[in-house]
Amino acid sequence: TAGITQAPTSQILAAGRSMTLRCTQDMRHNAMYWYRQDLGLGLRLIHYSNTAGTTGKGEVPDGYSVSRANTDDFPLTLASAVPSQTSVYFCASSDQGGRQFFGPGTRLTVL
Amino acid sequence: AQRVTQPEKLLSVFKGAPVELKCNYSYSGSPELFWYVQYSRQRLQLLLRHISRESIKGFTADLNKGETSFHLKKPFAQEEDSAMYYCALGSTGRRALTFGSGTRLQVQP
Repeated sequence: TAGITQAPTSQILAAGRSMTLRCTQDMRHNAMYWYRQDLGLGLRLIHYSNTAGTTGKGEVPDGYSVSRANTDDFPLTLASAVPSQTSVYFCASSDQGGRQFFGPGTRLTVL
Repeated sequence: AQRVTQPEKLLSVFKGAPVELKCNYSYSGSPELFWYVQYSRQRLQLLLRHISRESIKGFTADLNKGETSFHLKKPFAQEEDSAMYYCALGSTGRRALTFGSGTRLQVQP
């Protein structure tokens, strides 16, 4: 069992370009999440999905979109990247007991 | 609104010293509290949760509803405990967690 995988590991992106961060889980969890981690701010929720076919906005959703076509995949898209989106992005899923499991993260730098 | 406060950005102790990482929360309902740990260049992993009332790697945390706190404690710190620690709050009907800003624990030899 791989748990949660994310790709790419890191990326440097020019401002204005679009990018999709990939997230896949093999635990058959219904709920999935995207967080960004910034120094001094901890982790902040961007978007979430309680089950395939549904998504919701988190604390900092502006500039990001998600889709949940199936249980396993939960991609995060930046339509037009800005420098303030430089961050480390973590994907997570949760089991029925509410425990969250995290991916290894994607380090994104927007120049 | 839910909020989690970790007042210390950095906590530095010597090996063998007691450790207490503070966490206070704000939530009007029945909270679920968690501690997550992130070792250098690794993913976040669950350390413990209040409903389990367990001790993991020598760490314990007790939920104090009167003080709205969930402080993480360990009687004798080890160098391998050096990491970033996050307190997180879950709530009924909302699976996403609200995280604190984190406390970096440095255990010096």
